[in-house]
Amino acid sequence: RKEVEQDPGPFNVPEGATVAFNCTYSNSASQSFFWYRQDCRKEPKLLMSVYSSGNEDGRFTAQLNRASQYISLLIRDSKLSDSATYLCVGMEYGNKLVFGAGTILRVKS
Amino acid sequence: DAGVTQSPTHLIKTRGQHVTLRCSPISGHKSVSWYQQVLGQGPQFIFQYYEKEERGRGNFPDRFSARQFPNYSSELNVNALLLGDSALYLCASSLGAGGTGELFFGEGSRLTVL
Repeated sequence: RKEVEQDPGPFNVPEGATVAFNCTYSNSASQSFFWYRQDCRKEPKLLMSVYSSGNEDGRFTAQLNRASQYISLLIRDSKLSDSATYLCVGMEYGNKLVFGAGTILRVKS
Repeated sequence: DAGVTQSPTHLIKTRGQHVTLRCSPISGHKSVSWYQQVLGQGPQFIFQYYEKEERGRGNFPDRFSARQFPNYSSELNVNALLLGDSALYLCASSLGAGGTGELFFGEGSRLTVL
């Protein structure tokens, strides 16, 4: 079983839609969690951190449920520029990041 | 300001050869990590170095080795290349050894093994 599991998608949504991604993690040693974004053939970039209390950044909301070992990302009012792969990430010791395989989002006009 | 730079950007090798990949971190960053990303998968942790010392090693064979230099740049070496080593190799830098989860990635070195 992979440590971080995500639905690979793709999620095909129209502009303006709300879309939610989920991920589950199996390693209870993971201390912190993040969402990274990776555009096609580009490097991953940090999108946002995930906290138990929830974290909102503009149109993006991330949530962590430690009891269920479940992480979510909600994107409201989707834009064409949101099209990318979204990587769910757990952090172990130091800055060792454990990445999920990613969820592909395609926003269409 | 320059971000993380990696070289070469693309390379083709044959089975059994070795390869050296290079990385320069963001100025002021003292930690460098290496990740392997196979097509369709997320990046997988290979090594972390901080202040020239190895701070972490992922589940990779001994054919993979790395080092960090006094100027904080780093090299990743892979010996006896296998077809399965074909991947995008990403270098990431961070200010310190850990805690923030924010890594700054370079654009990667795309290795093809024939």
